[in-house]
Amino acid sequence: QSALTQPASVSGSPGQSITISCTGSSIDVGTYDLVSWYQQHPGKAPKLMIYEVTKRPSGASNRFSGSKSGNTASLTISGLQAEDEADYYCCSFARSNTLLFGGGTKLTVL
Amino acid sequence: EVQLLESGGGLVQPGESLTLSCAASGFTFSDYAMSWVRQAPGKGLEWVSSIRATDGGTYYADAVKGRFAISRDKSKNTLSLQMNSLKAGDTAVYYCARADSSGWYEFFHWGQGTPVTVSS
Repeated sequence: QSALTQPASVSGSPGQSITISCTGSSIDVGTYDLVSWYQQHPGKAPKLMIYEVTKRPSGASNRFSGSKSGNTASLTISGLQAEDEADYYCCSFARSNTLLFGGGTKLTVL
Repeated sequence: EVQLLESGGGLVQPGESLTLSCAASGFTFSDYAMSWVRQAPGKGLEWVSSIRATDGGTYYADAVKGRFAISRDKSKNTLSLQMNSLKAGDTAVYYCARADSSGWYEFFHWGQGTPVTVSS
């Protein structure tokens, strides 16, 4: 069970848009539309931002959106705000009824 | 309001056992799949185990299969994780998480976590 691949860090200025990628394989991201994204501020529990690739749960800002192409899922944050600075993790359902997380991406708002 | 409160964490020696609990409130516990997710110090999230709402079917990460057991007590609205043969690599904050009504693959609600340290 290898973790999904995310960039270690991304950055952007307030108001800009950024995209975080999450690369898996044909046994996880590429086959199942069950990719979710979590935001985690330091010392806090994670928070669900996107589920089933593109859906937003109640309470998540509409500045967050998700997509998928092939074996790679992406999280886009538009209109970047200081409060978006956090760690972001993708997660995918995988064959053999397991769940895989990405290694996490640290977002810095400049 | 959905509330998940973990307890039972602490310091144990390698090879010992520990049981974590998660007290759930604010929703009908029997209607939702539940999971444990852990995070080692300074590291990322790692899925540990899940239990389905419908038939109690269970799933485990390879790293804990055969050593950990997830269970739920619907009469007490409590999720448990029995951890045996603990290793240093099991040191982490353990989060309890609740799925949506349709599946067990995503974590819509999280507790604040309970820390587990495995060290001699």
